[in-house]
Amino acid sequence: EAQVTQNPRYLITVTGKKLTVTCSQNMNHEYMSWYRQDPGLGLRQIYYSMNVEVTDKGDVPEGYKVSRKEKRNFPLILESPSPNQTSLYFCASSFSGLGTEAFFGQGTRLTVV
Amino acid sequence: SQQGEEDPQALSIQEGENATMNCSYKTSINNLQWYRQNSGRGLVHLILIRSNEREKHSGRLRVTLDTSKKSSSLLITASRAADTASYFCATDRVAAGNKLTFGGGTRVLVKP
Repeated sequence: EAQVTQNPRYLITVTGKKLTVTCSQNMNHEYMSWYRQDPGLGLRQIYYSMNVEVTDKGDVPEGYKVSRKEKRNFPLILESPSPNQTSLYFCASSFSGLGTEAFFGQGTRLTVV
Repeated sequence: SQQGEEDPQALSIQEGENATMNCSYKTSINNLQWYRQNSGRGLVHLILIRSNEREKHSGRLRVTLDTSKKSSSLLITASRAADTASYFCATDRVAAGNKLTFGGGTRVLVKP
């Protein structure tokens, strides 16, 4: 089954404790991205990757890191989480980005206290 | 920044009625897509319309695109309770690194 898998689904952590949210897709997609969704602000792109070893900033990259060492995986790293990073996070993948359907993961609800 | 803005923000209708929502965007685009999100879940792709297309259908969905007005509409005909969800438009363009830029969404409640 074609899918994008994020883990964990729910996470509560403390300020400053490094964490990683994993994302994996099984569709051989080149394009992957991370979004955060906040009430009243919609979905905002954090980082995206057009292919292995190619990543770039989205609209709200501050406080986040990503890597794309393999085509299928695109982890999101919060080196020093802060309460303003409490949000619902989604990973998405698509064949090429432009003009192609995006497949979304189930979401990770992160709370930073 | 939000490229697309949906209108209305919320919509409540009876089962069987049609639901129409609109999306406006600011800059020229290559493609526009509509997605559905059930509460707190991942987004699901509904339909894609390219900038050189004016109308597209998929089952009970009808999407129009007016590039001169920089707007699109999504019509759901004969709505069902299962259509209760938030609906988002998303645009992409080469100049923005191929990324999808989402609007704020329209929350649709279909009452049985």
